[in-house]
Amino acid sequence: LAKTTQPISMDSYEGQEVNITCSHNNIATNDYITWYQQFPSQGPRFIIQGYKTKVTNEVASLFIPADRKSSTLSLPRVSLSDTAVYYCLVGDFASGGSYIPTFGRGTSLIVHP
Amino acid sequence: DTEVTQTPKHLVMGMTNKKSLKCEQHMGHRAMYWYKQKAKKPPELMFVYSYEKLSINESVPSRFSPECPNSSLLNLHLHALQPEDSALYLCASSQDQGSNEQFFGPGTRLTVL
Repeated sequence: LAKTTQPISMDSYEGQEVNITCSHNNIATNDYITWYQQFPSQGPRFIIQGYKTKVTNEVASLFIPADRKSSTLSLPRVSLSDTAVYYCLVGDFASGGSYIPTFGRGTSLIVHP
Repeated sequence: DTEVTQTPKHLVMGMTNKKSLKCEQHMGHRAMYWYKQKAKKPPELMFVYSYEKLSINESVPSRFSPECPNSSLLNLHLHALQPEDSALYLCASSQDQGSNEQFFGPGTRLTVL
């Protein structure tokens, strides 16, 4: 089964770069890695997705090494509003071929003034 | 319209009640999901509908009954729930079942007395 491991929590300060790493040793060959952000009492919000190497959008960057057994979400110059839980998501394929998205345990990021 | 809406926002019910949670999206997405999220835990997949057909049931107890009346609507019927079923119930949709880019609704906070 695809399974992910993330740090439970991280602390940072405004203006710093934050890197959150997720381990996914058993990722399927054709699976993507997706990261979500969740604020309290809200639904998760898609941040970024990648398959290999590096992906960048207006919010974050995602670094994926060649073996794809891990990925690192990079948040440049965080602000207080980036305080949230960040989830790494990969999937499993059931015996019938159905794709089952599976969230990691999440990393609680606290940004301090 | 890139929004997933859920009603009600909050629901309190007794163990003998029957209630329904509703979810709606107008993005033309063909996959819709129900997740359950307990406090400080990641969302756990319950059901997946693909092209209005139930694709995945993650061994959810029969007191939870999903329904997909059409491609835009997803319901979750609740009957004879237990206090431990109290949680945030999240609905999500994606372009298709293989897509990890899911759009989540704000959730329904359910309390079972």
